[in-house]
Amino acid sequence: QVTLEESGPALVKPRQTLTLTCTFSGFSLTTGGMRVSWVRQPPGKALEWLARIDWDGDTFYSTSLKTRLTISKDPSKNRVVLILTNVDPMDTATYYCTRVDFWGQGTLVTVSS
Amino acid sequence: DIQMTQSPSTLSASVGDRVTITCRASQSVNDWLAWFQQKPGTAPKLLIYKASRLQTGVPSRFSGSASGTEFTLTIRSLQPDDFATYYCLQYETLSPWTFGQGTKVEAK
Repeated sequence: QVTLEESGPALVKPRQTLTLTCTFSGFSLTTGGMRVSWVRQPPGKALEWLARIDWDGDTFYSTSLKTRLTISKDPSKNRVVLILTNVDPMDTATYYCTRVDFWGQGTLVTVSS
Repeated sequence: DIQMTQSPSTLSASVGDRVTITCRASQSVNDWLAWFQQKPGTAPKLLIYKASRLQTGVPSRFSGSASGTEFTLTIRSLQPDDFATYYCLQYETLSPWTFGQGTKVEAK
C-alpha cells in the first residue's frame, strides 16, 4: 500500500526558509522509474508543480522558482525534503508530495509576520 | 519549460451531458500527459495517464485522447459526483513538469 505524508511548519515568517518533509511507504525511491514531486496550491488557485527527484538522483525544478528551491532524498529513511528559501506571503499554499498516482493529503503553510 | 494551455476555464453542464476538456502543449510531450480530478479540500485524483490510459478504479465514462500536442479529456455522461475541477499535467521525463490552469465543471 503506497502512502505519502507531508510534514512541516504551519506558519513561517517572511524571508525565512521553509523545510518540508515527505515520508512515504509502499515503494522505494531506489527503484528504477520512481519519481517524487512537490506540488503546491495557493488558496482558491490552481495547482503548481515545484520540483521532482528521480530514483537516480536527477532533480528538476520549476523555472520560476528554481533559484529558491532544493529537493533531496534520503532513500534509507523513505523521505524526500523540499527547501524553499526567502519565503513571501505569496508562498502561502497547501503543499503536496506526490508520485503522480498517489498523493499525500497536503500541508497548509502560511507565510505571515 | 513546456507550457500547457487548458480550456475552458469553466464549463457549465447537466447530468448526462458529454463533457470535453482540452489541453494543448507548447511542444511535444510524447504523450506523457495525465488528467486529475480535484474536489475542494482534497488532493488531486489521477484519472488518466499516458494520455489515454485509464487509472485503475476510475469509471469508464472517463477517457483521454491525444492528437499531436493536443489532449482531450472526455466524460461520456456526466454524473453528480463529477462536478469538480480538472487539471492536466505534462510529465515528460526529461523536463520540468507543468499543470494546465484547470477547468471547473459546474452545474448548469
